[in-house]
This record gives sequence, C-alpha cells and structure tokens, in this order.
Amino acid sequence: SQELEQSPQSLIVQEGKNLTINCTSSKTLYGLYWYKQKYGEGLIFLMMLQKGGEEKSHEKITAKLDEKKQQSSLHITASQPSHAGIYLCGADANAGKSTFGDGTTLTVKP
Amino acid sequence: NAGVTQTPKFQVLKTGQSMTLQCAQDMNHEYMSWYRQDPGMGLRLIHYSVGAGITDQGEVPNGYNVSRSTTEDFPLRLLSAAPSQTSVYFCASSLVSSGANVLTFGAGSRLTVL
Repeated sequence: SQELEQSPQSLIVQEGKNLTINCTSSKTLYGLYWYKQKYGEGLIFLMMLQKGGEEKSHEKITAKLDEKKQQSSLHITASQPSHAGIYLCGADANAGKSTFGDGTTLTVKP
Repeated sequence: NAGVTQTPKFQVLKTGQSMTLQCAQDMNHEYMSWYRQDPGMGLRLIHYSVGAGITDQGEVPNGYNVSRSTTEDFPLRLLSAAPSQTSVYFCASSLVSSGANVLTFGAGSRLTVL
C-alpha cells in the first residue's frame, strides 16, 4: 500500500516568515492533494497536482510535485495567523480511495 | 449547497452501546467514505462506497458497519462501542468520474466512548 510521510510533524513560525512542508510517498504519485484543517473543523481542499514538475499557487501558498512524482512540497510565503492549522497531503490509492499523511501542525505567532 | 452534512457533531457513549453517525451529501457524488482521525495518526479509511448498493472495507473496518441505499446517504454504524473507537470521524465524498478524487469533507463527529 502507498504510504505518505510528512515533515515536519509540527512547525512554529513568526508571522511574516516563509515555511515549507514536505510530503514523501513510498510509491509514484498519480494524484497528490493538499488539504488544510482548522482546529475542530473538517478538511478543506487546497490544491491538486498530477504531473511531474507541476507547480500550483493559490494566494501565498505554492505546491510542487517533483519530476519523479514521489515528493511534494507546500510552501507558504509571508505566513499569517490565518495560515495556522493542520496541513495534510493525500494521494490516490485505487478505486477512488485516498491515503493521507499524518499531517503537519502549523502555528503562526503574531 | 449544503455539501457534506454529518450528525451528530458530538456524542458520548458507554461501552457496548450502539449508535449511527449520519452522513448526507447533496452534490450527486458517487464516492463516499468514512475516516477516523486520531492524534498523530492522520486519517484512516474505515469504509467506502463507489455508488449506491456498493460498499467496501478500508484500512480499519472492524467494529463498524455501513450501507449505501441511496446516492446521498452513507451512515456509519457502531454496533457495540469500545473505548478504542473514541475518535473524530469524518465523512467525505467525491465525484470520481471527474478524473480527480478531490474530497469534500463534513465538519466531523467527535465520539467519546467511556
């Protein structure tokens, strides 16, 4: 089965600083999804990457999928308190199933 | 659009009691699934369904039953609750025929089993 490993497990940054979260897969990724979860709430879809080398941005968040399609990174520029939460990467398994990493908890200090 | 609606939001059970977590979606999504989220363990798939009348087991199905009689509803049943089932449960759905498995999640149901 496909396993996703996220790093770091938790991150505390000062507001305004940049940060990167990584997601490494044990197998080739055919669909990589980034979700964000605010404390006590459900997950919200951020971005999807499917092609090797693909990069997508939304506001100050950029996600990339490496050429070999086994690692993705999520980069936040000039972090704000609104970016705080848990970031999870997910991947397509089979028959529509998704597998997830353990999540990265981001705290942004004002 | 309501999206994915889960009820109840909070529930406390005693060991051995039974209950059903309800999940409904109004987006005509074929695929529905139940996950549990435990600290440090991410999301683990319990059961999933690719359409009405079709269900299958995920990674951690023991102690849980599901059924999918309509496209809209996918209830999760705990027949005899155990403390190990204390967790936050998420229902999710997606339109798999779109070619991408972007999941829409419910707000979660926090279950405590004493």
